[in-house]
Amino acid sequence: QSALTQPASVSGSLKQSITISCIGTSSDVGSYNLVSWYQHHPGKAPKLMIYEGSKRPSGVSNRFSGSKSGNTASLTISGLQAEDEADYYCCSYAGSITLVIFGGGTKLTVL
Amino acid sequence: QLVQSGGEVKKPGESLKISCKASGYSFPNYWIAWVRQMPGKGLEWMGTIYPGDSETTYRPSFKGQVTVSADKSVSTAFLQWSSLKASDTAMYYCARQKGTAAGGGEFDIWGQGTVVTVSS
Repeated sequence: QSALTQPASVSGSLKQSITISCIGTSSDVGSYNLVSWYQHHPGKAPKLMIYEGSKRPSGVSNRFSGSKSGNTASLTISGLQAEDEADYYCCSYAGSITLVIFGGGTKLTVL
Repeated sequence: QLVQSGGEVKKPGESLKISCKASGYSFPNYWIAWVRQMPGKGLEWMGTIYPGDSETTYRPSFKGQVTVSADKSVSTAFLQWSSLKASDTAMYYCARQKGTAAGGGEFDIWGQGTVVTVSS
């Protein structure tokens, strides 16, 4: 497939929680524990937020968490803050031919 | 960190080589990927190189369209086109990939991006 499926947009109020889904297939998300999530503010470099499905790099707030069930990965952001407003992309290993596949991206709006 | 070369404005049919200079880590020992973002679109993996032995893998749709290379002596990876098209207009990012296999790990360090504009 050409891209993992993410909602085009989600929104939430300050201090609330939101979850972004990332739907793949048994050839990518469902087969490997290699889903990562990136935060992208326009004009800046993307930033790694979650790797290997649920691990947080050093320095990333524990308000960000990741999970996976079957062919669907999810990113949850709790206690929304204004600076969380950005585009979020999921990414998965997809085998030895395709190798890497990104989601279409989700624009998060913090109300 | 990864520092990319500056933005470029080119005409269709021209060639181009953009760069991504690494510092602060052992350049030969980590994969470097190139990621495209077309205007108003999402991220798209293009290809990956392991500078240690120059092993390179491309997304099928980019194979033959671009060339990824690396020069260990200057800790720099490159992305080049021999004949640009208007559809190559995009932001291009390089990113360090962790893990032992191409594509098999997260992108933990990103360059700031290089804007390429192709217009007659």
